[in-house]
Amino acid sequence: GAGVSQTPSNKVTEKGKYVELRCDPISGHTALYWYRQSLGQGPEFLIYFQGTGAADDSGLPNDRFFAVRPEGSVSTLKIQRTERGDSAVYLCASSSDWYNEQFFGPGTRLTVL
Amino acid sequence: KQEVTQIPAALSVPEGENLVLNCSFTDSAIYNLQWFRQDPGKGLTSLLLIQSSQREQTSGRLNASLDKSSGRSTLYIAASQPGDSATYLCAVFNAGGTSYGKLTFGQGTILTVHP
Repeated sequence: GAGVSQTPSNKVTEKGKYVELRCDPISGHTALYWYRQSLGQGPEFLIYFQGTGAADDSGLPNDRFFAVRPEGSVSTLKIQRTERGDSAVYLCASSSDWYNEQFFGPGTRLTVL
Repeated sequence: KQEVTQIPAALSVPEGENLVLNCSFTDSAIYNLQWFRQDPGKGLTSLLLIQSSQREQTSGRLNASLDKSSGRSTLYIAASQPGDSATYLCAVFNAGGTSYGKLTFGQGTILTVHP
């Protein structure tokens, strides 16, 4: 069956630009997570959705970051006024419920020049 | 706040060796623990998930143990192969505290198995 997919796989942008990263979870999974992974580090939590609502957004680094999941399936992570420090791999994961095994997508590599 | 540490940071072994990767965590109020594999430039592949009530899980040549009270887990890889070369990540899912409801990852162990 189809796993978690993320688009684009790579995104290069200039400092100050706006970007959107998309995540398609496994069909039927109600929980969706975004993580960010910097080079040589483990992933760090950004935000968690249960259905359409953001149950925990405590990992978002500042108000330039925002995420939505309007219909409880696809999610979009939005970054305004990108900075070079935002360069990282952004990973999305989904699970059948908040406490179950998380399945990860291939990630989007964001490079801010 | 939950903190996860993995030792060693890197490991290089000849093919055929049995090896152990270590993971420790500071907050024992976990719901489960997952071991992942990450190949260069790729996403994470789940290898094993251990519920907090379990002591170990096995899948093929992999065996993961959990000692929740001491905050430790080990991943044992038997008869290592060059195809096992990857970064191995340990992550805990917290049942309480400020890390509740999310995976907290270690920094990973980079494993190289040479022929």
